[in-house]
This record gives sequence, structure tokens and C-alpha cells, in this order.
Amino acid sequence: DVKVTQSSRYLVKRTGEKVFLECVQDMDHENMFWYRQDPGLGLRLIYFSYDVKMKEKGDIPEGYSVSREKKERFSLILESASTNQTSMYLCASSLRDRGSEQYFGPGTRLTVT
Amino acid sequence: RKEVEQDPGPFNVPEGATVAFNCTYSNSASQSFFWYRQDCRKEPKLLMSVYSSGNEDGRFTAQLNRASQYISLLIRDSKLSDSATYLCVVTPWGSGNTGKLIFGQGTTLQVKP
Repeated sequence: DVKVTQSSRYLVKRTGEKVFLECVQDMDHENMFWYRQDPGLGLRLIYFSYDVKMKEKGDIPEGYSVSREKKERFSLILESASTNQTSMYLCASSLRDRGSEQYFGPGTRLTVT
Repeated sequence: RKEVEQDPGPFNVPEGATVAFNCTYSNSASQSFFWYRQDCRKEPKLLMSVYSSGNEDGRFTAQLNRASQYISLLIRDSKLSDSATYLCVVTPWGSGNTGKLIFGQGTTLQVKP
């Protein structure tokens, strides 16, 4: 059974704090993705990684960074959290091939106060 | 213009009804098409792929019209358990083999008893 796990379901942080969101997949997938999902805006890609130590910016990378030191783990970092980063964060993984199914984690609801 | 556009709804239908969702995509070079389903407070999951010849999976039928850059999903004999948000998904042009997907913002379906 395929599985993508995220470190927290709910997180509350203060403005200016550094925030780490962790994602782990057990399917040996090459690709991993971080999205945020907001009402009316849908899923927006923040960053993705197609291999260890490789990353590419998505549509909204500002204010975020990522790290992929191991194939199964992809971390999203908010260097200095701001209130407009309050959102649902979803991690996904897939095989490298075009059109491969993406498997999502359960999401982290982050609130920045 | 958004790359993938959907009517957000909500579509409120009685049990047993037939309902159709439409989606348009802007890039004629997109090659692969999908419908994902997202239950309330859950992660998205692949519902079905959409092929040029159309495809059917039980009560669900997906169709693609490349000339009009239009994708549809038809649900027959709606069940209460079909209540969810349905995401139209395409592969972006020129993304190589990175496996990126572009998600529409989703169409919400509420099936009422």
C-alpha cells in the first residue's frame, strides 16, 4: 500500500518563526512535490524535486525553500513565517514519467499568527 | 487566463441524478489528462485518466475533446458518497519527464438524499 506521510496534521506558528514541514514517501518515487491549497485558488505548486539534491521552483516559491537529502524525504522550509502563509500544505510523490499519478500525503494545516 | 479552468460550483443534485462537469485547458500541447477526487478535509486521489477515445469506469465517464481543449466527467446515478470536489488535471507542455501536473481549482459536488 502506497504511503506519503507528513510530519504534522496541524501546526500553529508565530510570525517570523522558521518552520519545517517534513514529507516521507515509501514508494521509491523519483519526484516529490510541495503544494499549498487555498479556497478559490486550488492547488498551487511551490517546489518540486526530481532527484536527490535536485529542486525546481514551482509557481509560488517566494518565501519558501526546500531540501531533499534522501530520496524518500522532502522538506519544505518557511524561513520567516508570515500570516499570508497560513494555508493547507500538501506533499505528493510520483514516478518520473510524464503523467504519472501523484500520491498525496494527508496535508498539514499551518496557521501563522 | 488560467491553464485549467473549472466551474467551482457547488453542484447540488439529488441522489440518482446524472451530473456533468466540464473543464477547459489553455495549452493545446498538453498530452495527458486526469480527474482527481478530493473528499472534504482529505488529500486528492486519482479518480481516472482521460483518453482521446473516452473511457468509462462504472458510473463515471470521462471524455476529451482536443479540438475544443475540453474535458468532461459524467457521473450517472449519483450516490451520497460521490459528494466531493473533482479536480481536472493536465500535464503541462514542455515539462520533459518531470511528472509535473497542473490542477484546476476543482468543482464541488453535493449529492442530497
